[in-house]
Amino acid sequence: GNSVTQMEGPVTLSEEAFLTINCTYTATGYPSLFWYVQYPGEGLQLLLKATKADDKGSNKGFEATYRKETTSFHLEKGSVQVSDSAVYFCALNPLGYGKLTFGQGTILTVHP
Amino acid sequence: GAGVSQSPRYKVAKRGQDVALRCDPISGHVSLFWYQQALGQGPEFLTYFQNEAQLDKSGLPSDRFFAERPEGSVSTLKIQRTQQEDSAVYLCASSLGRGRLEETQYFGPGTRLLVL
Repeated sequence: GNSVTQMEGPVTLSEEAFLTINCTYTATGYPSLFWYVQYPGEGLQLLLKATKADDKGSNKGFEATYRKETTSFHLEKGSVQVSDSAVYFCALNPLGYGKLTFGQGTILTVHP
Repeated sequence: GAGVSQSPRYKVAKRGQDVALRCDPISGHVSLFWYQQALGQGPEFLTYFQNEAQLDKSGLPSDRFFAERPEGSVSTLKIQRTQQEDSAVYLCASSLGRGRLEETQYFGPGTRLLVL
């Protein structure tokens, strides 16, 4: 079946530190991969996505590269800000109509 | 423009009560999804509509869960005879529905259900 595994949190960083949140997946076929973010008190929103091997998704300084050989889609940011504090979810869509499979989420807290 | 809205935002039910959760998708979005998110977990798929047709209900945990979208817009998720294990946040999402793997889903704020 399809599954997503994220690194366990919570992750606590100081402002301007480098961020990596690991995500690996198991899927049949060639899924699209996503990172969604949930800020405190808000709903899930798309952060970035990639549709095929070696694609790099990027947004708001965050990046993730679709690595088919390692079945990974790790999220990175070079310099985090306090406003990046949120819960981050890795997800995949293996089917054409969008039945997303999510990881368990990683809580990120950034201190000034 | 308006995003996905859900109501109520919070619902407290006594065990055994029936509840109904409403989702208003983005206007013109063909696809609509319901997910269940337990505390500290990622969302889990419940069911999928394309217009008014329920094409996938494989995630509904029991026959106490029922969803409908009779006119292809607003959707209602109904839970009969609620149990404590039904306590969770119920998320609704919609998308254009063009059948592309990379299509973005837009999520509502969720309904937090607590069953006592």
